Amino acid sequence: QQQVKQSPQSLIVQKGGISIINCAYENTAFDYFPWYQQFPGKGPALLIAIRPDVSEKKEGRFTISFNKSAKQFSLHIMDSQPGDSATYFCAASKGYSTLTFGKGTMLLVSP
Amino acid sequence: DSGVTQTPKHLITATGQRVTLRCSPRSGDLSVYWYQQSLDQGLQFLIQYYNGEERAKGNILERFSAQQFPDLHSELNLSSLELGDSALYFCASSGQGLDTQYFGPGTRLTVL
Repeated sequence: QQQVKQSPQSLIVQKGGISIINCAYENTAFDYFPWYQQFPGKGPALLIAIRPDVSEKKEGRFTISFNKSAKQFSLHIMDSQPGDSATYFCAASKGYSTLTFGKGTMLLVSP
Repeated sequence: DSGVTQTPKHLITATGQRVTLRCSPRSGDLSVYWYQQSLDQGLQFLIQYYNGEERAKGNILERFSAQQFPDLHSELNLSSLELGDSALYFCASSGQGLDTQYFGPGTRLTVL
């Protein structure tokens, strides 16, 4: 049973555009929602994370929007750059338990 | 650089064989996690150790086992290897907060 569903599977955005990746979860006990960025040949790296007591968190060009009632959260990358081309994973966990990952989104930002 | 190290970087072996993957967590981190990443399954959690004790188990096959040693490094043992075990294996570590996980560079296992 996939507890975190991520979409789209792949995304192509023009340089300067907005990239949007969505995730939906099923377990209402989840209370930690990180996004990881993975470049080819590297391990995933934490990009930004949110807890359900806020609806939005922004760090530079990266914003997480969180909708608790809909059990959805999304990553917005503003002014997308070619260097943002990577695979992005959403994840969720309950308390200090293990992370459940979405299947990933391959983002390509065209110059 | 996350501070998590994994060896070897690449491993090529034959079906039926046994291999050991090694992970050293970030300095001070007590918790180690193992993940398998394949194209069709994404990142699958295998097992977690905390200060030498098994803490959580995910989709880990009976042919796979792991342990964490007193110096906190961890090893993942994969035996009776099958073609389908070919994947990237990642180790991650976290500190006392246990939420932020830092991933190593991975070991690419190819079973021929």
